[in-house]
Amino acid sequence: EAGVTQFPSHSVIEKGQTVTLRCDPISGHDNLYWYRRVMGKEIKFLLHFVKESKQDESGMPNNRFLAERTGGTYSTLKVQPAELEDSGVYFCASSQDPRDYNEKLFFGSGTQLSVL
Amino acid sequence: KQEVTQIPAALSVPEGENLVLNCSFTDSAIYNLQWFRQDPGKGLTSLLLIQSSQREQTSGRLNASLDKSSGRSTLYIAASQPGDSATYLCAVTRSTLGRLYFGRGTQLTVWP
Repeated sequence: EAGVTQFPSHSVIEKGQTVTLRCDPISGHDNLYWYRRVMGKEIKFLLHFVKESKQDESGMPNNRFLAERTGGTYSTLKVQPAELEDSGVYFCASSQDPRDYNEKLFFGSGTQLSVL
Repeated sequence: KQEVTQIPAALSVPEGENLVLNCSFTDSAIYNLQWFRQDPGKGLTSLLLIQSSQREQTSGRLNASLDKSSGRSTLYIAASQPGDSATYLCAVTRSTLGRLYFGRGTQLTVWP
């Protein structure tokens, strides 16, 4: 069974450019989460999809970040325009049942974003 | 606001030692607590999940305990091996919101 897949694994862009990160969750998983780790800090929640609906987007830092999950399958996270403080590792995670938060969560390997 | 703290930040031990990693959280209204392992360049792997009504969970050489009232958890690793070298992260879920609150992790190095 394929795990959670994230593309690209690394991205280096200049301040002001646009970057789109992609996450393919495990097939059949309705829950999809985005998290971010800024260097030296803890991993922080960004948002949570249940199927194609945003369940909780309270962790999104500002309106330069836009997440979508059309059709309830893969998700994209777009940063436009990127700023220096957006650098970090962006993780995606998925789980199957939106009603069971005691269910195991599966994480992707992350996208390392560097904004220069 | 939920804050999660992990002590120590780094630990280096010889192979064979028994280890204790500590995690504390400020808000005891949690749904569950999880311990994750992260290898360099890889994603997080869930090791153990303790529901709020439970006191501990065990998997092989790993044992995690939870004292919800005092806001503490420990991860015990028995007979450590070089393959245990990784960053260990503690995270809690509040109520049924699902989102995780992470600590900064303990970077463990086990040398032969």
